[in-house]
Amino acid sequence: DVKVTQSSRYLVKRTGEKVFLECVQDMDHENMFWYRQDPGLGLRLIYFSYDVKMKEKGDIPEGYSVSREKKERFSLILESASTNQTSMYLCASSTFGAGHWIYGYTFGSGTRLTVV
Amino acid sequence: TQLLEQSPQFLSIQEGENLTVYCNSSSVFSSLQWYRQEPGEGPVLLVTVVTGGEVKKLKRLTFQFGDARKDSSLHITAAQPGDTGLYLCCETSGSRLTFGEGTQLTVNP
Repeated sequence: DVKVTQSSRYLVKRTGEKVFLECVQDMDHENMFWYRQDPGLGLRLIYFSYDVKMKEKGDIPEGYSVSREKKERFSLILESASTNQTSMYLCASSTFGAGHWIYGYTFGSGTRLTVV
Repeated sequence: TQLLEQSPQFLSIQEGENLTVYCNSSSVFSSLQWYRQEPGEGPVLLVTVVTGGEVKKLKRLTFQFGDARKDSSLHITAAQPGDTGLYLCCETSGSRLTFGEGTQLTVNP
């Protein structure tokens, strides 16, 4: 059963802490994505990656960074967590070419992060 | 960035009723996908539509892509409590998906 695994379902961190959210996929997908999901705002793209060591800014990259050292792993880093980063974070992966719009994205179950 | 509007934003119905939710765009879709997100989980792909006028069926769910490829609808027949969730449409452009805000459907037993 192919899947995207996010390391934590729930996380509580203090303001100013450095936070790491980990995502691993076992489908050998080239593309990986980090979204945050907030009521009334939908899914917003933070960062994405098309290949190892490659990253691209999404629509809301401020306050975040990413790391992709291995094809299967894509990490989201909150350099100094703030309360406005309290959200549901979703990782997704997809394959290149026609595959991404035929098979779509495979999402993880999400990490609900609370910053206090 | 293409703007996707989904309506209604919220929908609460009784088991057995039929319903339709809509997804509209300010411009032409290259292709469109529908996802369902259950509480506490990530979205799961339901269908991809590509051709204007296309209709796809998935058990009690019927997906339609508008002739002009600027709108889509999802119709559920005889809704069940298991259909409860957030229904998201998204447009595929390049390797990125642009999501609408979704329709939150609640089916009451």
